[in-house]
Amino acid sequence: DTGVSQNPRHKITKRGQNVTFRCDPISEHNRLYWYRQTLGQGPEFLTYFQNEAQLEKSRLLSDRFSAERPKGSFSTLEIQRTEQGDSAMYLCASSSQRTLSGANVLTFGAGSRLTVL
Amino acid sequence: SQQGEEDPQALSIQEGENATMNCSYKTSINNLQWYRQNSGRGLVHLILIRSNEREKHSGRLRVTLDTSKKSSSLLITASRAADTASYFCVPQTGANSKLTFGKGITLSVRP
Repeated sequence: DTGVSQNPRHKITKRGQNVTFRCDPISEHNRLYWYRQTLGQGPEFLTYFQNEAQLEKSRLLSDRFSAERPKGSFSTLEIQRTEQGDSAMYLCASSSQRTLSGANVLTFGAGSRLTVL
Repeated sequence: SQQGEEDPQALSIQEGENATMNCSYKTSINNLQWYRQNSGRGLVHLILIRSNEREKHSGRLRVTLDTSKKSSSLLITASRAADTASYFCVPQTGANSKLTFGKGITLSVRP
């Protein structure tokens, strides 16, 4: 098990371009989360999946953001028509729903840093 | 879900000293978790304490939970420079509910 893998690690793009990030969770984990983090702030929840179903999406999330998890394994997060305010670290995390206690312990990836020029 | 309110926002101590970080939350919880984030290892889970537990230890970490006061504390004993990081207190409201992070506590351990 190699943990949660995110690609690319860094992305520099020009305003107005589309970008896509990929997350490969821990294979036994059925839940997958996307968070966004800016400097000096904690991770901000964006959306999460249980298997292939997207169960919740933050109301703060613009329509330019879309996430998929087509086969319940890896996930992609796409940002269309990027803006400078989208510059942030995008973190993916996974967890297992199958714990008896209901504890939801997240394992995070290293993140994908987006810079929009 | 709910987020924890960490206190203080920043803490600077000398290597070898103990670091105490506090957290408060608003509604009843299933458990409370502490995470650490530094540039080297990213964001990692440190320790979890269940709502029916009062104290838990893991190596140099000691976490307490007072559900009557809706508060928790994380104590790091004999701190090291490598403990320099941001620490997040994350209350989990319901079974399997999502986690919401606050701003965290920035801990600096001076060599």
